[in-house]
Amino acid sequence: SAVISQKPSRDICQRGTSLTIQCQVDSQVTMMFWYRQQPGQSLTLIATANQGSEATYESGFVIDKFPISRPNLTFSTLTVSNMSPEDSSIYLCSVGGTTETFFGQGTRLTVV
Amino acid sequence: KQEVTQIPAALSVPEGENLVLNCSFTDSAIYNLQWFRQDPGKGLTSLLLIQSSQREQTSGRLNASLDKSSGRSTLYIAASQPGDSATYLCAVRPLNNNDMRFGAGTRLTVKP
Repeated sequence: SAVISQKPSRDICQRGTSLTIQCQVDSQVTMMFWYRQQPGQSLTLIATANQGSEATYESGFVIDKFPISRPNLTFSTLTVSNMSPEDSSIYLCSVGGTTETFFGQGTRLTVV
Repeated sequence: KQEVTQIPAALSVPEGENLVLNCSFTDSAIYNLQWFRQDPGKGLTSLLLIQSSQREQTSGRLNASLDKSSGRSTLYIAASQPGDSATYLCAVRPLNNNDMRFGAGTRLTVKP
């Protein structure tokens, strides 16, 4: 199993600012995933973060808006840039083991 | 592209009832299927994981089945309790991918 610590758990931010979300895993993992859950919606994959290479973004998500860092095998950050109210969501990081997938507790972001 | 559908979208039952949540997916080429629970504004808690070669998994009052060929899974909750009230998400992990594809969830309310 994997234990994932995600920070901050929630934040209220002004539009036009940026927020960096941190994700720490208690074991080394090759891939980490970032998801977004908009209000009342299910989870949508933003990008896959591999250590030592550029993140791979899903359709509709771009690096300028959601830059991702992956400096080592246990840590990743997601930045939500130039925020607008439409960015208000829960952001979750995830790791997939050889079998089960684990999630952090999420970051609840409100943009005002 | 893998599409995951969950029915019903919402369900309200009196305490003590047995209930079934349904999940269907369009592409049977999956690595595994996982059921998650999400409390309001929170992250995801893994409930049951079924590998593609398995037919069902049980944990306490929960039983999940998988019919990969027909693209269906069910989550059976026995003797429901108010503490079971949450949103239940079904997710599949495609073959040759490490991320998960989610359904929109079933919002369950168990009334005392």
